Amino acid sequence: AQTVTQSQPEMSVQEAETVTLSCTYDTSESDYYLFWYKQPPSRQMILVIRQEAYKQQNATENRFSVNFQKAAKSFSLKISDSQLGDAAMYFCAYRSGSGGSNYKLTFGKGTLLTVNP
Amino acid sequence: DTEVTQTPKHLVMGMTNKKSLKCEQHMGHRAMYWYKQKAKKPPELMFVYSYEKLSINESVPSRFSPECPNSSLLNLHLHALQPEDSALYLCASSHYRGSGTEAFFGQGTRLTVV
Repeated sequence: AQTVTQSQPEMSVQEAETVTLSCTYDTSESDYYLFWYKQPPSRQMILVIRQEAYKQQNATENRFSVNFQKAAKSFSLKISDSQLGDAAMYFCAYRSGSGGSNYKLTFGKGTLLTVNP
Repeated sequence: DTEVTQTPKHLVMGMTNKKSLKCEQHMGHRAMYWYKQKAKKPPELMFVYSYEKLSINESVPSRFSPECPNSSLLNLHLHALQPEDSALYLCASSHYRGSGTEAFFGQGTRLTVV
């Protein structure tokens, strides 16, 4: 079974600075997807960024980028120029690319990010 | 339209009540999901529907009964719940497989069982 580990229960960052959230995962599959979701107090889970395992290039979405190290099974999220609206719980998630478990999202326990003005 | 709409947003029910949660999407997704989320915890998968057929039931108690009337709608029928069932219930949808299989989530229904 796949597992996702987020080792930082809480992180804080000053507004306009950069922060990196860590995520490691364990899998024996070669075809899979990795995601970062953000859940603000409004409670809706919002997709931040997606990475396909077969792509070597790290995904980037505006101020959000990932460092995907496939051999190390590491998938960290970097938030640049942090804004107050970035404050939220961030979940790293894994999804198999094939088979019956294709539907399942395996989540890490989450990292609560605080942005200080 | 990248929205998943859930109703109601809040629900308080007694242990003898019957209620339903509703979820709707118009993105053409053929996989729909129910998740349960307790405070400060990640979502836990309950059910998955694929092409309107139940494909995954994560050993959820029978007091939770899912229904998928068509490809856009997903319901969760609730009956004889317990206080420990109080939680945020999230609906999500996605494409079945391939690129773009990220799940889109609704805002959730905050359920309180009294």
